[in-house]
Amino acid sequence: GAGVSQTPSNKVTEKGKYVELRCDPISGHTALYWYRQSLGQGPEFLIYFQGTGAADDSGLPNDRFFAVRPEGSVSTLKIQRTERGDSAVYLCASSLSSAQETQYFGPGTRLLVL
Amino acid sequence: GENVEQHPSTLSVQEGDSAVIKCTYSDSASNYFPWYKQELGKRPQLIIDIRSNVGEKKDQRIAVTLNKTAKHFSLHITETQPEDSAVYFCAPVSGGSYIPTFGRGTSLIVHP
Repeated sequence: GAGVSQTPSNKVTEKGKYVELRCDPISGHTALYWYRQSLGQGPEFLIYFQGTGAADDSGLPNDRFFAVRPEGSVSTLKIQRTERGDSAVYLCASSLSSAQETQYFGPGTRLLVL
Repeated sequence: GENVEQHPSTLSVQEGDSAVIKCTYSDSASNYFPWYKQELGKRPQLIIDIRSNVGEKKDQRIAVTLNKTAKHFSLHITETQPEDSAVYFCAPVSGGSYIPTFGRGTSLIVHP
């Protein structure tokens, strides 16, 4: 079946602009995670959804970052007033019920803020 | 929060040799211990995992061992092949938070 997909694959924006990154998890997976990966680092947790609700958003770096999952499937990560330091690969992962089961990652969105 | 360290950061071996990567963690509530492989420009993929009630798990050339008392777990790859070259991440998950904490990664290079 289809795996986790993310759009766009690449996004170039200017400092101060607003961006939206989309994640389509595997059908039936209730757990959805967003991570940010900088060059040479491991993925850094941002937010975890269980169904429609954000179960843990402790990894969001500040209030410019927000994520939603209104129908319990597709999720959107929103970044306001982008800064150059936001440049990274944003990864989405889904699993059947939690991160204590196999997490399936999407291909990521490479965000570059000029 | 969880403090995770991986060693070594880089590992260079000859084809056919074994490779061992160690991951130490700080949260005693961690109870799920996965290893991910990430090839250059690709997404992380789970290669093996172990739960806290098991000491060792093996899948063909790959094995993971867990020492909960000492709070570390290790990835073992035998008979390495060039296609094993990648960055490997450990990502222990706390039973209390369900949040994985990824290590900084180990770059494995297998020379033909």
